[in-house]
Amino acid sequence: GQNIDQPTEMTATEGAIVQINCTYQTSGFNGLFWYQQHAGEAPTFLSYNVLDGLEEKGRFSSFLSRSKGYSYLLLKELQMKDSASYLCAVRGNTDKLIFGTGTRLQVFP
Amino acid sequence: DAGVIQSPRHEVTEMGQEVTLRCKPISGHDYLFWYRQTMMRGLELLIYFNNNVPIDDSGMPEDRFSAKMPNASFSTLKIQPSEPRDSAVYFCASSLRGLDPQHFMNTEAFFGQGTRLTVV
Repeated sequence: GQNIDQPTEMTATEGAIVQINCTYQTSGFNGLFWYQQHAGEAPTFLSYNVLDGLEEKGRFSSFLSRSKGYSYLLLKELQMKDSASYLCAVRGNTDKLIFGTGTRLQVFP
Repeated sequence: DAGVIQSPRHEVTEMGQEVTLRCKPISGHDYLFWYRQTMMRGLELLIYFNNNVPIDDSGMPEDRFSAKMPNASFSTLKIQPSEPRDSAVYFCASSLRGLDPQHFMNTEAFFGQGTRLTVV
């Protein structure tokens, strides 16, 4: 089966750095994705990892360790607009795409 | 491309009525996913298709739910009869296939704007 775990909620201060962790158990592995979802909107793609290591995209970075079934999303120089839910998703070997329940991040001034 | 298009955006219906949600995926995408999102359970995969063929419908909650993909540009999710506990936001997403990781191909799923279903 497939299972994805991430914290339910996190808070941080504007300008700070926050790390959102994700652990997973899947049948096969064809990539790990992070999505951002603002309240009332659809999820939008942030990052993709298929090999171990760090992928950097501006203020956002995502890390993957396949042997540990672990990923994190790192958000730097937090802005108020970063307040949203962050969803970790894994694509298994049959291309089934499963999402975690999401981490709601609140950024305070 | 206009992206994934879902209709209607909002649907309010009475318990016992039939509800049909529609989705037009991005042209050229091989995969289509139907999800349901609630506060309690997050984003749940209901069913997904590859080249119009259903691959896994193990997430469909009951026989009241059915999905079809008659061609590459259209899919429907039907609930009959609807119940208040079906109230949720239903998302459709499409993507290219997930290839061998050595190809480093980015295969993210693109979401439609969702249908907010309320069953009273």
